[in-house]
Amino acid sequence: EPEVTQTPSHQVTQMGQEVILRCVPISNHLYFYWYRQILGQKVEFLVSFYNNEISEKSEIFDDQFSVERPDGSNFTLKIRSTKLEDSAMYFCASSDLAGGQTQYFGPGTRLLVL
Amino acid sequence: QKEVEQNSGPLSVPEGAIASLNCTYSDRGSQSFFWYRQYSGKSPELIMSIYSNGDKEDGRFTAQLNKASQYVSLLIRDSQPSDSATYLCASREGGGSYIPTFGRGTSLIVHP
Repeated sequence: EPEVTQTPSHQVTQMGQEVILRCVPISNHLYFYWYRQILGQKVEFLVSFYNNEISEKSEIFDDQFSVERPDGSNFTLKIRSTKLEDSAMYFCASSDLAGGQTQYFGPGTRLLVL
Repeated sequence: QKEVEQNSGPLSVPEGAIASLNCTYSDRGSQSFFWYRQYSGKSPELIMSIYSNGDKEDGRFTAQLNKASQYVSLLIRDSQPSDSATYLCASREGGGSYIPTFGRGTSLIVHP
């Protein structure tokens, strides 16, 4: 069964460093999403992406964040200068329909900023 | 500020019982509602979506929506220990915005 994959599964970085989280969405999906979940907190929407551009973004998705689809398979989230409060689980998701009637989530990348 | 509220639990039920999970939402403009299951340390998995008032059944799961009361519920019949997880309720507006708002989740424990 097709699935969303994410790498790395865990990432430890120093405050101020740049990180790139990678996702491979399901191959025939066209809509891609990033979410984050701080430990013990709600899942929070960050950004959605379609046709090589951002469709929607939340207030969390400020200038330190960017997304890119560098090739036909990968979808990346870059955090330019990490802060302690960026420590969270980051989930990528993809769907084949706008609005994501069913969004398939990847297993997540646990980011720890020291 | 759009909010989705859930009792954090834990809700503990015996195996074979019906588990009832509840959720309220603040945004009257919400049109789509979702229940996700999330095992500890894992990603959310969609189990039910509901868009119209009333009940929607899928196997052992029944979602109920009451837009007038801004209330969504999930019933799990014949609960199994494998159903033990955190259940996330989410709402979404229509009208071109697809940003979901998640609740904190209710922890369900099904004990043998």
